[in-house]
Amino acid sequence: DAKTTQPPSMDCAEGRAANLPCNHSTISGNEYVYWYRQIHSQGPQYIIHGLKNNETNEMASLIITEDRKSSTLILPHATLRDTAVYYCIVRLYSGGSNYKLTFGKGTLLTVNP
Amino acid sequence: NAGVMQNPRHLVRRRGQEARLRCSPMKGHSHVYWYRQLPEEGLKFMVYLQKENIIDESGMPKERFSAEFPKEGPSILRIQQVVRGDSAAYFCASSPIRISTNEKLFFGSGTQLSVL
Repeated sequence: DAKTTQPPSMDCAEGRAANLPCNHSTISGNEYVYWYRQIHSQGPQYIIHGLKNNETNEMASLIITEDRKSSTLILPHATLRDTAVYYCIVRLYSGGSNYKLTFGKGTLLTVNP
Repeated sequence: NAGVMQNPRHLVRRRGQEARLRCSPMKGHSHVYWYRQLPEEGLKFMVYLQKENIIDESGMPKERFSAEFPKEGPSILRIQQVVRGDSAAYFCASSPIRISTNEKLFFGSGTQLSVL
């Protein structure tokens, strides 16, 4: 799997947009970008995933650059409950062992009141 | 619709004892995955099971660790003769079918194992 690089920590004011970057410069054409988050003392929670088009759901938006070497997860209106570690993961889209998600150290997002 | 249920939430064992961690997948899910999170590290895959079958145990230590998912009842992760290095958070996830592009893993809240 392609390696991802994320900043170890970020701060965001409550109510503002949180933009979490991820570099995946070695991503290959058939690999998806997934985002999960882990709130303290809980299991990881799926947020969103995408291949090359930008994606949006009720939780967040995912912006992937045209060369696919980086992406940004956007939480449009961060709340205190969004404080968590956010993981960017690159995975093959099918076949093989695509359940073997490997979580790195992620980005600790702290939303401040 | 209850989510993935893990128990106990916290488990304390002395070195040399056995630890049994239980996981009940979401209703309708027949695929279970176990992950381990060591302190200050990310989660790492351990084992993937379907009902009565181990599909992939490539992430599981060869000694002392075993997993099962019987036809009836929860999946069990068993650690024999625990050592301090086994202290970690163990997470279980489930999916209705084998995970693919549009399937997401649903995780439980984990079991925190502490070995004294």
